[in-house]
Amino acid sequence: DAGVIQSPRHEVTEMGQEVTLRCKPISGHDYLFWYRQTMMRGLELLIYFNNNVPIDDSGMPEDRFSAKMPNASFSTLKIQPSEPRDSAVYFCASRLQGANTGELFFGEGSRLTVL
Amino acid sequence: QQQVKQSPQSLIVQKGGISIINCAYENTAFDYFPWYQQFPGKGPALLIAIRPDVSEKKEGRFTISFNKSAKQFSLHIMDSQPGDSATYFCAASKGGGTSYGKLTFGQGTILTVHP
Repeated sequence: DAGVIQSPRHEVTEMGQEVTLRCKPISGHDYLFWYRQTMMRGLELLIYFNNNVPIDDSGMPEDRFSAKMPNASFSTLKIQPSEPRDSAVYFCASRLQGANTGELFFGEGSRLTVL
Repeated sequence: QQQVKQSPQSLIVQKGGISIINCAYENTAFDYFPWYQQFPGKGPALLIAIRPDVSEKKEGRFTISFNKSAKQFSLHIMDSQPGDSATYFCAASKGGGTSYGKLTFGQGTILTVHP
């Protein structure tokens, strides 16, 4: 079975450019999470969705960040305009509601470098 | 109150030794405590998890010890192997409902097991 699929795996962009990260959760999973990982701040939850509806976006750092989930099999995280401090690895994860373990399944991440 | 503090930041162990990583939390509402393992270039993956109704959980060479009164929990890796070399994250969340997957992660411990 395919896991969580993220694209692109690597992105290098210039400051001020728009960045769009994409995620395909595991089929049937109804929770989707976006995390950001940096050396300084570790793993931070940015936003999560339940049945395509944003539940908590309190971790989104500022208005430059936005996330959408137009359907159960696709989500995007957009940064516009990007800044060097946005450089990080962005992870998407999904979970099945009602799963006894509460396990999150992570993708392999999108490494973003903003010059 | 949402913090999870993890120590040490890095750990070097000889093959066959015991690796111990500790975490402490503040929020008494947390009731789900997983450990995630992350290899370079990969997303975190669930290793083992515990709920506060038990003081210890063992899965193979991996054991979680939980001290509810002290608000601390730890991961013990017995007979550590070079293949265990990875970054380990403790985490905590309030179980149930839509908060189940809203994990708060510790800062991570880089474990190196020398052959």
